[in-house]
Amino acid sequence: EAGVTQFPSHSVIEKGQTVTLRCDPISGHDNLYWYRRVMGKEIKFLLHFVKESKQDESGMPNNRFLAERTGGTYSTLKVQPAELEDSGVYFCASSLTGANVLTFGAGSRLTVL
Amino acid sequence: SQQGEEDPQALSIQEGENATMNCSYKTSINNLQWYRQNSGRGLVHLILIRSNEREKHSGRLRVTLDTSKKSSSLLITASRAADTASYFCATANSGGSNYKLTFGKGTLLTVNP
Repeated sequence: EAGVTQFPSHSVIEKGQTVTLRCDPISGHDNLYWYRRVMGKEIKFLLHFVKESKQDESGMPNNRFLAERTGGTYSTLKVQPAELEDSGVYFCASSLTGANVLTFGAGSRLTVL
Repeated sequence: SQQGEEDPQALSIQEGENATMNCSYKTSINNLQWYRQNSGRGLVHLILIRSNEREKHSGRLRVTLDTSKKSSSLLITASRAADTASYFCATANSGGSNYKLTFGKGTLLTVNP
């Protein structure tokens, strides 16, 4: 079984540019989550999809971040325009409904210069 | 201190020794989980302990939970070089959702061969 796949593994952009991160969850997992770890800080929750619907986006830092999950399969997280403080590792995770355990991807490292 | 704060921040031991990592948290929880992250890899779920449990074992892992002290410990026995990784505790808080985990900053464990 393929795990959670994230792309790109590392992205380096300049302040003000746009970046789109992609996450492919485990097939059949209706629940998809985004977390991020900025430098020196804890891993923090961003948002939760159930299929294509945003169930909880309370962790999204501001309106420069846009997450989508069209069709309820893969998800994208767009940062526009990127700021220096957005640098960090963005993790995606997925789970079956009712599960307590999340399966995480390897993360996408974002560096904003 | 942060919710889900691990102690120590870094630990270096010799192969064969036991490694103990501690985690403290602030709020009431539904469960507490430990994850491992190898360099460049995703978070791998190790073990989950529910708030009404006090101890749990999984292979060479032993987790304890003391809800009165709001603390947990992860013991890895007979450590191996392959156990070298960052270890994170994460709590699912009471009244919240089990997917909305609160992570600590992690303990970097180095097992020297």
